[in-house]
Amino acid sequence: SQKIEQNSEALNIQEGKTATLTCNYTNYSPAYLQWYRQDPGRGPVFLLLIRENEKEKRKERLKVTFDTTLKQSLFHITASQPADSATYLCALQGNAGKSTFGDGTTLTVKP
Amino acid sequence: DTGVSQDPRHKITKRGQNVTFRCDPISEHNRLYWYRQTLGQGPEFLTYFQNEAQLEKSRLLSDRFSAERPKGSFSTLEIQRTEQGDSAMYLCASSSVGVAFFGQGTRLTVV
Repeated sequence: SQKIEQNSEALNIQEGKTATLTCNYTNYSPAYLQWYRQDPGRGPVFLLLIRENEKEKRKERLKVTFDTTLKQSLFHITASQPADSATYLCALQGNAGKSTFGDGTTLTVKP
Repeated sequence: DTGVSQDPRHKITKRGQNVTFRCDPISEHNRLYWYRQTLGQGPEFLTYFQNEAQLEKSRLLSDRFSAERPKGSFSTLEIQRTEQGDSAMYLCASSSVGVAFFGQGTRLTVV
């Protein structure tokens, strides 16, 4: 069955450092991989989408890589800030449109 | 606000009662999704509409759950004879192609 694993439930880093979150998957060939941010009690907010034929995508302080051979995506936040503290969800999407989500990694950025 | 809107935001109900949630998607989006999320988990896919057609239902969606999108615009999710295990956040999302945009969710508590 399809499985998505995101690294450790919680990640704590110091302000200004780079946060790196990992998403590994098995038994899936996604057309897209997406990263979402979710704050407590709120719905997920879309951050970045990367296609299966793309290796890397950037947006401001965010960078996503996608390795379909390793079946892995890395999500980086550079120059992290306390406001970046949230849960980050990885989602795989096939051509039909529905997404399969990981359980998320909770990032805490300490001042 | 032109985002995805869900109503109500919170619902407390007694076990055995029926509840109905509403989702208003982004107006130009033809795809609409329902997900369920429990604490510490990622969203789990429930069902998906393209316009008014319900194209896929998860095995998670027991016969007590029904969803409609009668005119291809708003959607409703009904849970009949609620059980304590139905307590969760119910999330609606809409998309045209690729990215799904989520609403703020309806938090259901069954007591």
